[in-house]
Amino acid sequence: AQKITQTQPGMFVQEKEAVTLDCTYDTSDPSYGLFWYKQPSSGEMIFLIYQGSYDQQNATEGRYSLNFQKARKSANLVISASQLGDSAMYFCAMEDSNYQLIWGAGTKLIIKP
Amino acid sequence: DAGITQSPRHKVTETGTPVTLRCHQTENHRYMYWYRQDPGHGLRLIHYSYGVKDTDKGEVSDGYSVSRSKTEDFLLTLESATSSQTSVYFCAISGGQGGGVQLNRTDTQYFGPGTRLTVL
Repeated sequence: AQKITQTQPGMFVQEKEAVTLDCTYDTSDPSYGLFWYKQPSSGEMIFLIYQGSYDQQNATEGRYSLNFQKARKSANLVISASQLGDSAMYFCAMEDSNYQLIWGAGTKLIIKP
Repeated sequence: DAGITQSPRHKVTETGTPVTLRCHQTENHRYMYWYRQDPGHGLRLIHYSYGVKDTDKGEVSDGYSVSRSKTEDFLLTLESATSSQTSVYFCAISGGQGGGVQLNRTDTQYFGPGTRLTVL
């Protein structure tokens, strides 16, 4: 069965440090997409970054990058130079063969000043 | 940002009453989705639509129905609300040009602001 696992329920990180949020996935489909979303305390879901299974390079979007290790089935989100505004829930999701998103349970990130 | 609105944003209702949530988009996106989010869970798909009058069930569709009579509107109805349906409901949209349900796409889903529903 297809599944997304986020093993870190919560994380504390010092401001300006880099942070890595873990995501592992399980699928037998050769083609899939991986997404990261941010949900601040205000509640909205904000798209951050996307990685396709056939993409040769790791995706980057500003301070966000995705450490995609296909053989290990991991798609970790890296946030460089963390800011107080990065405090939020972060969700990893995978698009399955029916083009539906399967979601992880999320990681709560708290940035300390 | 994608133009997606949800109404109402908050609603309190009683068990057994019907409830309809509305999702409206101005992006002319083909695909629309309804999710629910509960504490300790990621989002779970309730229903989705791949075109006008074309809908299908998601992971947690029991107790919910949907309708899409226009591209821009996707309605979620709880025919007889129960306390277990207390949740935050999100609508999402994604693009997809051309015809055919199986058209390969990996478009990003963009979310509405959410509706907090409480069933007493």
